[in-house]
Amino acid sequence: KAGVTQTPRYLIKTRGQQVTLSCSPISGHRSVSWYQQTPGQGLQFLFEYFSETQRNKGNFPGRFSGRQFSNSRSEMNVSTLELGDSALYLCASRLTTGVNSPLHFGNGTRLTVT
Amino acid sequence: AQSVTQPDIHITVSEGASLELRCNYSYGATPYLFWYVQSPGQGLQLLLKYFSGDTLVQGIKGFEAEFKRSQSSFNLRKPSVHWSDAAEYFCAVGRGDNAGNMLTFGGGTRLMVKP
Repeated sequence: KAGVTQTPRYLIKTRGQQVTLSCSPISGHRSVSWYQQTPGQGLQFLFEYFSETQRNKGNFPGRFSGRQFSNSRSEMNVSTLELGDSALYLCASRLTTGVNSPLHFGNGTRLTVT
Repeated sequence: AQSVTQPDIHITVSEGASLELRCNYSYGATPYLFWYVQSPGQGLQLLLKYFSGDTLVQGIKGFEAEFKRSQSSFNLRKPSVHWSDAAEYFCAVGRGDNAGNMLTFGGGTRLMVKP
């Protein structure tokens, strides 16, 4: 079974631009979560989607948004990029939304904002 | 709100030596606890998890962890470290009440293995 696939792996953007990251979950997984990983703040939860509905949202500004499609694939969008948005963005999928359903992570998208 | 502390940012051990990575959590109810490992350029891989029952849990790659409620700890151990274990290790806690299914991660411990 294929794992969680994130595209692209690397991205370089300029301040003020917007960016869209994509995530394809493991087949059959209906929950997709996004995490931001930076050296300073560590791993921080962005949001979780299940059946095309946002279930939870972390403490991030409204510039960070996401959506989930009917095939469970998910995208996250960051508008008006800031230098501090440079990070590894990790997508994770799981079978259900229960906390006892383990997260399976993709390899991430490395975003650099210049 | 829950929180996780991994007191050791870096640890270096010799190959073949034993390993213990510390994790302390703060959460009012019974926590769901996890250990993940991240190799360079990779995502996180689940090593093991604790939900309830036996407080000593076995995971993949020869790792185990022990839940100690009295100490609010969930330390990760391995009796004999291999060079391929060099990576960053993250402890995480999740709420069991479904009000917030996200995980809160510790800051990570980077493990280096000396030959």
